[in-house]
Amino acid sequence: DAGVTQSPTHLIKTRGQQVTLRCSPKSGHDTVSWYQQALGQGPQFIFQYYEEEERQRGNFPDRFSGHQFPNYSSELNVNALLLGDSALYLCASSPGGGLGIYEQYFGPGTRLTVT
Amino acid sequence: GNSVTQMEGPVTLSEEAFLTINCTYTATGYPSLFWYVQYPGEGLQLLLKATKADDKGSNKGFEATYRKETTSFHLEKGSVQVSDSAVYFCALSDNYGQNFVFGPGTRLSVLP
Repeated sequence: DAGVTQSPTHLIKTRGQQVTLRCSPKSGHDTVSWYQQALGQGPQFIFQYYEEEERQRGNFPDRFSGHQFPNYSSELNVNALLLGDSALYLCASSPGGGLGIYEQYFGPGTRLTVT
Repeated sequence: GNSVTQMEGPVTLSEEAFLTINCTYTATGYPSLFWYVQYPGEGLQLLLKATKADDKGSNKGFEATYRKETTSFHLEKGSVQVSDSAVYFCALSDNYGQNFVFGPGTRLSVLP
């Protein structure tokens, strides 16, 4: 079992550019959540996808958008990048729609640097 | 909204010392509580959880008890090892296991 995988590992972008991050959930998991972890901080919830729809969203602007594919994999897109978007982006997956499961499995993250 | 507060680090201990990392929370309803650990260069891993008041979560010698009266979920270990060096995050979810909120993390360094 490969667990949760994310790509790329590292990424450097310039302010104003757009970026796409990818996540493959753990086998058997159908729910994917995305988090932003700034340096020295805890992860902050961005949004969650289930059945190819955004089910919940944290306090992030519309520049952050996502997608879930029929195979449950997911993408996080960030438009008009700001320096403050530099962070580790974590993907987490859970089974059974994520409800009543209480446990998420995290990927290793994608380190995004905006210059 | 829901929030988690945990003791600031870094915490530096000698091997075999007793560990306590304090965590308190503010939440509506009946949250579930978690401790996650992030080892250097790795992703977050669930260490232990408790889904209702007075539950004790335990794993790998770590323990935490869900105290509703004090809104706390302090992490303890009787004898730490060098391999326990990591960042520890206290977190909560709503009563459906959704809407996770994480604390800022506490870095633990254990010296031989």
